Amino acid sequence: NAGVTQTPKFRVLKTGQSMTLLCAQDMNHEYMYWYRQDPGMGLRLIHYSVGEGTTAKGEVPDGYNVSRLKKQNFLLGLESAAPSQTSVYFCASSYIQDSPLHFGNGTRLTVT
Amino acid sequence: GNSVTQMEGPVTLSEEAFLTINCTYTATGYPSLFWYVQYPGEGLQLLLKATKADDKGSNKGFEATYRKETTSFHLEKGSVQVSDSAVYFCAHSTPTGNQFYFGTGTSLTVIP
Repeated sequence: NAGVTQTPKFRVLKTGQSMTLLCAQDMNHEYMYWYRQDPGMGLRLIHYSVGEGTTAKGEVPDGYNVSRLKKQNFLLGLESAAPSQTSVYFCASSYIQDSPLHFGNGTRLTVT
Repeated sequence: GNSVTQMEGPVTLSEEAFLTINCTYTATGYPSLFWYVQYPGEGLQLLLKATKADDKGSNKGFEATYRKETTSFHLEKGSVQVSDSAVYFCAHSTPTGNQFYFGTGTSLTVIP
């Protein structure tokens, strides 16, 4: 049971570089989410999707883009990385609205 | 607005001690309430949930009761173990059920 898989696990970027974080789930969940976790701030929602082909902004969407071309995948893109985007990024999915979230193990991103 | 406030840590307890982690929330309508646990290097896992007022969620010896009148969902365990050492997050859903708000997390260390 893979559940929610995030790749890569670690990444170091220089300011201005771009990258894409991949999230894949094998549970046929409709809802997918991208959060960032920063010390003292808990988890903050970046973007989410309520189904294939849909995306919506969360609490802190600036500087990020997302795509949900396939139901099982949810991609998070950084077009021009900034040091403020240094964080641990978590992907999560849920079966239907209001059902518990299933999390990946996170991606630790450092932007220098 | 929507928010979750939980007691700051870190919390250090001796094995078999009683645990309380306070959580209060601000939300519109009647959200579902959750406690998640995060072990080192891993993503969050659902610990327990409650979906309506006066419901009690329980799992692995942990309990929390949905108190609408005090907008609280405090986590308790009667006798903690070393294996309970982790970070605990309180969260609530939005009325539409497609977004979740998390507290900042409370780190618990249990010493033998």
